[in-house]
Amino acid sequence: KAGVTQTPRYLIKTRGQQVTLSCSPISGHRSVSWYQQTPGQGLQFLFEYFSETQRNKGNFPGRFSGRQFSNSRSEMNVSTLELGDSALYLCASSFAQGLNTEAFFGQGTRLTVV
Amino acid sequence: GQQVMQIPQYQHVQEGEDFTTYCNSSTTLSNIQWYKQRPGGHPVFLIQLVKSGEVKKQKRLTFQFGEAKKNSSLHITATQTTDVGTYFCAGPNRGSQGNLIFGKGTKLSVKP
Repeated sequence: KAGVTQTPRYLIKTRGQQVTLSCSPISGHRSVSWYQQTPGQGLQFLFEYFSETQRNKGNFPGRFSGRQFSNSRSEMNVSTLELGDSALYLCASSFAQGLNTEAFFGQGTRLTVV
Repeated sequence: GQQVMQIPQYQHVQEGEDFTTYCNSSTTLSNIQWYKQRPGGHPVFLIQLVKSGEVKKQKRLTFQFGEAKKNSSLHITATQTTDVGTYFCAGPNRGSQGNLIFGKGTKLSVKP
């Protein structure tokens, strides 16, 4: 079956702009999580959606938001971009029921803010 | 809040040497997962451990889950250049099964 698809793969934006990233999870997975990855910081959790509801949110400012659609596809939005938002943004889908919690990651969107 | 810590942060080995990374959680985990991220790639699921004291092997990789279900280790025997990458452990957030808390990873480099 198809894996997790993230678009776009690369993005260059200027400070103050906003950006929307998209993630299509594996068919049948209802949980989508977003992570920010920067050198030395590992994978920092942004938020998780399950059946269109945000279940968890990490410690990021309100400029970071997301949503999930009825087909489980998810988007995340970052408004008023700052230089420090430059990172690899990874989306992970999971079945998230019982012990089936392993995450399947997309290839990520590399965001550069200039 | 819930934290997962990993050591060491970096490990440089000669090809053929062994490698071990350790993971410690601030809370008891229902399960622990390990991922590998190759340079320029994305994290890929390796294995999940569920039972206290569980040991699983994948070829040269041995994974252990501690008796208290708060720590874990990954041991690679006789490293190869293909083992290069960053190894992450992760545990589920107590509040949500779909949210994994990741350690910061151990970056392994292998000198041929």
